[in-house]
Amino acid sequence: QVQLQQWGAGLLKPSETLSLTCAVYGGSFSGYYWNWIRQPPGKGLEWIGEINHSGRSNYNPSLKSRVTISVDTSKNQFSLKVSSVTAADTAVYYCARMGWGLRGFDSWGQGTLVTVSS
Amino acid sequence: QSVLTQPPSASGTPGQKVTISCSGSSSNIGSNTVYWYQQPPGTAPKLLMYNNNQRPSGVPDRFSGSKSGTSASLAISGLQSEDEADYYCAAWDDSLNGYVFGSGTKVTVL
Repeated sequence: QVQLQQWGAGLLKPSETLSLTCAVYGGSFSGYYWNWIRQPPGKGLEWIGEINHSGRSNYNPSLKSRVTISVDTSKNQFSLKVSSVTAADTAVYYCARMGWGLRGFDSWGQGTLVTVSS
Repeated sequence: QSVLTQPPSASGTPGQKVTISCSGSSSNIGSNTVYWYQQPPGTAPKLLMYNNNQRPSGVPDRFSGSKSGTSASLAISGLQSEDEADYYCAAWDDSLNGYVFGSGTKVTVL
């Protein structure tokens, strides 16, 4: 049973860089796409981007200029960086695995609330 | 503004059937598989349906999905109190080259 555990800073000031990491335990790291998804308070889900074990990544066009997703296969971890954050980036951020054969985001991290405030 | 459109709310009494719609376009639902996620309050979303109508292991068969053209729907039959949650549809969008989610539907068990 794969488990995703995420961590990172929860309080940022405007213009700073958001940084989160997600570790994958109990399952294969290769062969899957690893994703970041966010949810502003009281609002819906927004896909941020994905990466596979070889580093091939794909981003939401609306965030692409500020987002970097990277992978560390030696640690079975992947990370998210969002630069120049504003209050609009305040959200719960989730890491998630896209299941084998595109069978949906079948495993999720616990979520990290990131608040951007001066 | 979400790319996929869902009604904001739906409700029913225990035992009733509730159906949630999800409307998209030819670049997403019209050409790709639809997913459904369930999110109880204060928790991470959970995969409920993939490939339009396939249930992951452990999802009760009270949940069923369908797709027709550029729309999809999720039906919950035999509604139970534990089904109170937000429900989101999702699909890959060929124009945006990424996944898009619906606006979410809050299901209330009366």
